[in-house]
Amino acid sequence: EDQVTQSPEALRLQEGESSSLNCSYTVSGLRGLFWYRQDPGKGPEFLFTLYSAGEEKEKERLKATLTKKESFLHITAPKPEDSATYLCAVLLIQGAQKLVFGQGTRLTINP
Amino acid sequence: DAGVIQSPRHEVTEMGQEVTLRCKPISGHNSLFWYRQTMMRGLELLIYFNNNVPIDDSGMPEDRFSAKMPNASFSTLKIQPSEPRDSAVYFCASTPYGGTKNIQYFGAGTRLSVL
Repeated sequence: EDQVTQSPEALRLQEGESSSLNCSYTVSGLRGLFWYRQDPGKGPEFLFTLYSAGEEKEKERLKATLTKKESFLHITAPKPEDSATYLCAVLLIQGAQKLVFGQGTRLTINP
Repeated sequence: DAGVIQSPRHEVTEMGQEVTLRCKPISGHNSLFWYRQTMMRGLELLIYFNNNVPIDDSGMPEDRFSAKMPNASFSTLKIQPSEPRDSAVYFCASTPYGGTKNIQYFGAGTRLSVL
């Protein structure tokens, strides 16, 4: 069964304290891996997509990386406005356009 | 671009009533997805359409749920009769069908409470 697992479930950091979120996947065939950000009361907002192991993408304080079994979302010197739930999703080779989402990591940055 | 538009934003109803959720995809996007989000199960795909045709409805929980896409700019998700366990946030997303990036853009969601 295709599975996506995110860890930790929740993470509290002080402003400026860098860390990483993990997304591990066990799937039959990966076409792409997506990171979304979700603020309370809003829909998921697209951040990055990665297609092959070794690929990296950056946006402001965020950097996403991909290996054959997992992806990391690195947050460098975070600010309170980075507080949100971060969702990882995989697009499967045999899943047509279906995204399979992880449960998310709830990130809180304290000032 | 206005993005994906969902209505209503909040819906409170009583058990047994019919509920209809609405979605307008981004103009030019011809793939549309309906998701449900709960604390227990996270974000789950219910059904998706390509060019107004339902492609995969394997995530629809039971016959009480139905979805339609009568044209490229409008879709509905109907629950009849509604039950308390249907309480969740329902999201609609769209993407260009056949696009290489497969990036889905989400609406703000409808928070449904069934009493």
